Amino acid sequence: EAGVTQFPSHSVIEKGQTVTLRCDPISGHDNLYWYRRVMGKEIKFLLHFVKESKQDESGMPNNRFLAERTGGTYSTLKVQPAELEDSGVYFCASSQVSHRTNTGELFFGEGSRLTVL
Amino acid sequence: DQQVKQNSPSLSVQEGRISILNCDYTNSMFDYFLWYKKYPAEGPTFLISISSIKDKNEDGRFTVFLNKSAKHLSLHIVPSQPGDSAVYFCAASVYGANSKLTFGKGITLSVRP
Repeated sequence: EAGVTQFPSHSVIEKGQTVTLRCDPISGHDNLYWYRRVMGKEIKFLLHFVKESKQDESGMPNNRFLAERTGGTYSTLKVQPAELEDSGVYFCASSQVSHRTNTGELFFGEGSRLTVL
Repeated sequence: DQQVKQNSPSLSVQEGRISILNCDYTNSMFDYFLWYKKYPAEGPTFLISISSIKDKNEDGRFTVFLNKSAKHLSLHIVPSQPGDSAVYFCAASVYGANSKLTFGKGITLSVRP
């Protein structure tokens, strides 16, 4: 079974440009999350989808960030225009809704490293 | 304001000995706690979790202890192995599973052969 896949693995862009990150969750997982880790700090929550609906987007830094999950499958995270402080590793994670058996485990992708120059 | 704190940035342990990784939290609403392990250039992988109704959970060489009154949890690895060398993140959530996780900064564990 394929895990969570993210693309691109690394993106280098200039300040003011646009970048779109993509996440393919594990097939059948309704929950999809975006997290970000900046400069070796803690991993911070950005937002949570349940299928195609945004369940919680309280962690989105500002309106330069736009996340979508059309059809409830893959998700994209667009940063437009990118700023220097947006540099970091963006992790996507997914999980299945199963209150009886769910250990709370999120399955993370390898991350997309964004460098804004 | 960090709600999950891992105050020791690194820990070095001899192979075969016990590794104890500590984590403190400030939000008394947290009711579910998890440990994730991360190797370089990889995403975090789930290790073990504990609900606030328990004070201990064990899975093979890994045991997590929860002290709610002290808002403290710890991860014990016995015996430690070189392959355990990684960054360990403590995480917590409110309202149980499937909720957003609040992570600590991580502890880099080095297990010396």
